Amino acid sequence: QVQLVQSGAEVKKPGSSVKVSCKTSGGTFSSYDINWVRQAPGQGLEWMGRIIPILGRADYAQKFQGRVTITADRSTSTAYMELNSLRSEDTAIYYCARAIDVVVPAPIGYWGQGTVVTVSS
Amino acid sequence: DIQMTQSPSTLSASVGDRVTITCRASQSLNNWLAWYQQKPGKVPKLLIYKASTLESGVPSRFSGSGSGTEFTLTISSLQPDDFATYYCQNYNSPSGFGQGTKVEIK
Repeated sequence: QVQLVQSGAEVKKPGSSVKVSCKTSGGTFSSYDINWVRQAPGQGLEWMGRIIPILGRADYAQKFQGRVTITADRSTSTAYMELNSLRSEDTAIYYCARAIDVVVPAPIGYWGQGTVVTVSS
Repeated sequence: DIQMTQSPSTLSASVGDRVTITCRASQSLNNWLAWYQQKPGKVPKLLIYKASTLESGVPSRFSGSGSGTEFTLTISSLQPDDFATYYCQNYNSPSGFGQGTKVEIK
């Protein structure tokens, strides 16, 4: 079955960067969108961006343009999300999430367990 | 980016009630609209996609309708397991979620 396993919790200083990994199994990694979604404490879901591994092309929410980079390593079936210039407002759970279908666009059907990122001085 | 606006933000209802949640988009979505249910401490669960297609395994009391810029999620008879927060999502690029609707016990 499809599984997405994310890297562990991170504590970062303001102004630094964080890189979260998402290793997938089950299904063909290259063919499905991998999205990154975050959720601040007590808040709603916020879409950050997505990548289609077979194309190696990512697109991002306008809010995060220039501050986030999403990449994919097809050899290890792992996606990455790097967020720079961290501030306290970036404290959140970060999820990777896979589309349900190879047809684009497709909704999200599978989620990683989430990675807690805490930004604090 | 397309802005997604849900209403209401909170909804108080009783078991057996018919519940409707609305999602409005700032531009036409061509029906690339999904609904998710999230319970505290859990990841979201896909309920509906393509505005009205029920995801496999989701109870038939959930339904979606709408087109263009206005969409609704309806729960025909609210069950105890349905008290949760619901999100709409435009899943075309660039994607985006509504701010959520919390369905709580009246």
